[in-house]
This record gives sequence, structure tokens and C-alpha cells, in this order.
Amino acid sequence: KQEVTQIPAALSVPEGENLVLNCSFTDSAIYNLQWFRQDPGKGLTSLLLIQSSQREQTSGRLNASLDKSSGRSTLYIAASQPGDSATYLCAVKPGSARQLTFGSGTQLTVLP
Amino acid sequence: ETGVTQSPTHLIKTRGQQVTLRCSSQSGHNTVSWYQQALGQGPQFIFQYYREEENGRGNFPPRFSGLQFPNYSSELNVNALELDDSALYLCASSVPSGGAHETQYFGPGTRLLVL
Repeated sequence: KQEVTQIPAALSVPEGENLVLNCSFTDSAIYNLQWFRQDPGKGLTSLLLIQSSQREQTSGRLNASLDKSSGRSTLYIAASQPGDSATYLCAVKPGSARQLTFGSGTQLTVLP
Repeated sequence: ETGVTQSPTHLIKTRGQQVTLRCSSQSGHNTVSWYQQALGQGPQFIFQYYREEENGRGNFPPRFSGLQFPNYSSELNVNALELDDSALYLCASSVPSGGAHETQYFGPGTRLLVL
């Protein structure tokens, strides 16, 4: 059974810092891995999707990497801003299933 | 292009009651997945519908049931509500390609509180 873990559960940083969020998964047989952003009480916004054959994806100040063999992914946020404050979730799409398996998220607070 | 919409946004029920949540898929998407997200947790898969048929189910009891209509909109029904059913219910639509680029598009969710 695929399990996804995110560390840390919460993170508080001053504005302008670069930061890394971590995600690990137990079964490397995945189609893809996605990073989502969730604002309090809201739905999920997809940030980046990395296909199983890819190593990284970039969008603006965000860079996500994937190491399938070790079951790890990182989300790097450059020059953090207070507007980046949210919960960040990673999810894997197992190769044998249609649904996504999510981690519990990292709650990020960027202090002005 | 219209995104995924859900109704209602918030709902309060009492234990033992029944509830129906609704979801309209993104245009052209024939697959709908439902997830339950308890406070402080990641979403948990409930079930998926593809062309009006259930196409996979997570570890949820039979009192969680669903429907998908010919226009690909969907309902989630929960009978005999329990306090632990209090959560954010998320609907996601997609077009299944079986490929590594396949993604799901999420609605804003329905917040259910069971008293």
C-alpha cells in the first residue's frame, strides 16, 4: 500500500528566504507526482506535475524534483513571500490506480 | 472553460441524517473522483466514477455512495451520518489517459459539519 509522508508538518520562515519542502513515498511504481497548494478551507490548486520519467519541473519561483528510486520529492520555493503562506500537499498517482494518494501536507507561514 | 464547481459550500447536519453533495465537472471531463479531507490531514480517496459507473473505491463503508449523470456531473451521498464524517469533501474531474501526464482538477470543496 502506497504511503506518502511530508516533513515538516509546519514551517515558519521570514520573507525572502529560500525553502525546501520534503515528500517521501513508499512505492516507486508511480505514474507521476504532483504538488498542490491549499489555502485554509479551500480546494486544491495544482502547482507542478512531474511525470515518472522526469527529474524536475519548474514554474516561476517553484522547482520540484523527483527521485523515484529513493522515493523522494522536494519542492523548492525561492525568495518566499507572505502570499506563499498555505498548506502544500504532495500526491502520487500509483501506476495501478486512478486515484491520487496524498501526504498530510506542510503548513507554510511566511512572515513579513 | 468552466472549472469544477461544488454545492453547497457549507452544510451542517446532525448525527444519523443523510446528506447529498453535488459536483459539476470541468467541461469535457468524463471522470469524477471524490475525496474526504479531515482537518489537518491530506485528502483520502472515496471513489471514482467513469461514464456513470463506479471505477474504483477507497476504504469507505457502503453508506458512502455516489452517482454520475450523463452530463458527467456527480453526487456523493452519505447515509447515517457520524460525527467523524465532519470534513471537507473534494470533487475532482479528469480525462483518463492512462498516461503519466494525467492530472485531476479539484473543486473548492463542501465543508460538512456533523453535530
